[in-house]
This record gives sequence, structure tokens and C-alpha cells, in this order.
Amino acid sequence: GAGVSQSPRYKVAKRGQDVALRCDPISGHVSLFWYQQALGQGPEFLTYFQNEAQLDKSGLPSDRFFAERPEGSVSTLKIQRTQQEDSAVYLCASSPKGDYLGLGVGELFFGEGSRLTVL
Amino acid sequence: GQQLNQSPQSMFIQEGEDVSMNCTSSSIFNTWLWYKQDPGEGPVLLIALYKAGELTSNGRLTAQFGITRKDSFLNISASIPSDVGIYFCAGLSGANSKLTFGKGITLSVRP
Repeated sequence: GAGVSQSPRYKVAKRGQDVALRCDPISGHVSLFWYQQALGQGPEFLTYFQNEAQLDKSGLPSDRFFAERPEGSVSTLKIQRTQQEDSAVYLCASSPKGDYLGLGVGELFFGEGSRLTVL
Repeated sequence: GQQLNQSPQSMFIQEGEDVSMNCTSSSIFNTWLWYKQDPGEGPVLLIALYKAGELTSNGRLTAQFGITRKDSFLNISASIPSDVGIYFCAGLSGANSKLTFGKGITLSVRP
């Protein structure tokens, strides 16, 4: 498809399980972002990739969260030993621009999100 | 950290009415974006603003980038039922690459 694709759309995990969420950005997009959106809140930044390089991971809430984009296209967000507070929608977004000047990449195009529920 | 303030949390209007939403911050932003999110979907970009004072329209939507670079507003004219959804403002400060979002305003349109 032409847009950002995320899978799975819905994931239910038992507390303590590991989960992996996948993001297929728009083809050719340089920048890729992961955001976490709790119920009734705006998206909160998790991490940013420019091609395969993870340039900012300051938003990852703990060392249980890990993201990778090894070939500069598809990205995976992994959450180890899930906790109930990890329940949220995880949004992936991409941009055709890279942040080469430190001025931001402008518009982001979001996927539909992966809704994680931890029981 | 940087915060964007959107209020009220919810707005209820009659179909055909105009509505205005504000977004304010104590920090300066270099780019302002307005997104709309429908239930179960990701945010969709409505309007992007790159210059202080800029006024941009997209159909029935008009948005402005405040002169102080600390605020922006979005106007929707002649509202229709499909305008229902959550409207987020988002800003880029240039200090880093991440987009900061407000908490959103839920818009309801009565037919």
C-alpha cells in the first residue's frame, strides 16, 4: 500500500511476555518515528531513526523497550517483560525528509497503530 | 519539558457552525502541525505551518502560526458531521527532531 503499515493491529499479551510490533514506512522515507499513545492522550515520542541510525531514543520509558531499523526501511519495536502500564497504542510515523540540519523533519505520516493490551 | 496546551478537552457544536481551536505553549516552536484522529486510526495531517504569522487554508480549514511562535489556532468553517474526531496540535522546536503533541480536543457535531 501507499501508506505506513503497522502490524499487528491488536495484540493482547500476558504480563511478563515479550512483544514485537512491526512498522513498514512509506517506501523511500528517510525518517521513522515511534510514538506511544495512552487512552485519552496525545502521542508521546519514543524514538527516532534516520535511515538505519537510531538518532534519538530519549523517549523510551525503560530498558525493556528496544527499537531497530537494520536496513533503513522496516522497523520493529520490541517490549520485553510487558507490564500493564505498557498498554497503549503504538504509532509509527515516517517522513521523506531527514533531519540533517537539526531543524526537524516537518510533516509526519502516521500508520493506524498497534493497540497493545497487557493483562 | 515542552508542553502544548489545548483546551477545552471537548467541544460540541451544531452542524453548519464555525469552530476555533487554540494551542499554546510556553516554549517557542518553529513548525506547527494540526492533525485529526478518528477512532482506531492514526493521526492524519490537516495543515502544516512553517513561518511565524503564516495563515494557511485547506478547504474549510484555516490555521495560523502565531507571531510569538508560542501559539497556533485552527478554524473549521461550516462544520459537517464528518468533522467529528480528535484534533491535535503538534510542534517542532528545532532543538530536536521529535514532534510534541497536545492532548487533543474532541469535537462533536450535532446534526
